Amino acid sequence: DAGVTQSPTHLIKTRGQQVTLRCSPKSGHDTVSWYQQALGQGPQFIFQYYEEEERQRGNFPDRFSGHQFPNYSSELNVNALLLGDSALYLCASSSYRGTNTGELFFGEGSRLTVL
Amino acid sequence: DAKTTQPTSMDCAEGRAANLPCNHSTISGNEYVYWYRQIHSQGPQYIIHGLKNNETNEMASLIITEDRKSSTLILPHATLRDTAVYYCIVNSRGFGNEKLTFGTGTRLTIIP
Repeated sequence: DAGVTQSPTHLIKTRGQQVTLRCSPKSGHDTVSWYQQALGQGPQFIFQYYEEEERQRGNFPDRFSGHQFPNYSSELNVNALLLGDSALYLCASSSYRGTNTGELFFGEGSRLTVL
Repeated sequence: DAKTTQPTSMDCAEGRAANLPCNHSTISGNEYVYWYRQIHSQGPQYIIHGLKNNETNEMASLIITEDRKSSTLILPHATLRDTAVYYCIVNSRGFGNEKLTFGTGTRLTIIP
């Protein structure tokens, strides 16, 4: 049973560029959430996708956008990258249709470095 | 803002029980206490959650005080692999409540 998979694991971009991160949820899960974790901090909620729509959003600017596909996988896009966007981006999946215990399953993350 | 308070760091000897405290004095009646941990360079891992009764699973035990204002996560026989940052989170269950608010957690170091 594959868990949450994210790609790429590491990437380097320069200021002003755009980046796309990808996530495949755990088998049987239909809801994907994205978190940003700066060095030394706890993860911060970016947004959540269910049924291909953004359902909740944290305190992040519109430069951060996402998408969910019919197979429940998801993408996180960040435009006009800033140095402060350097962080570990975590994807978490959960199940709405199944037994929802409130438990999130996290991937290993994509580490973005902006130079 | 995080609604929990945890010590910044703790040490525990290998093989002993690790007891990690958490204060959540403003917890609401419908909010659960969740514990996650994050081993270096990995994504957070769910450990356990509870509402008001004590809970136990294969990883840990969760003791919640009667007034629900604080809780303790217990790792009964700590190993070196338990070295991680432990996050205590309060959150309602159910769809649409996946917006977990992480604080800075407790950095637990298991000493050989």
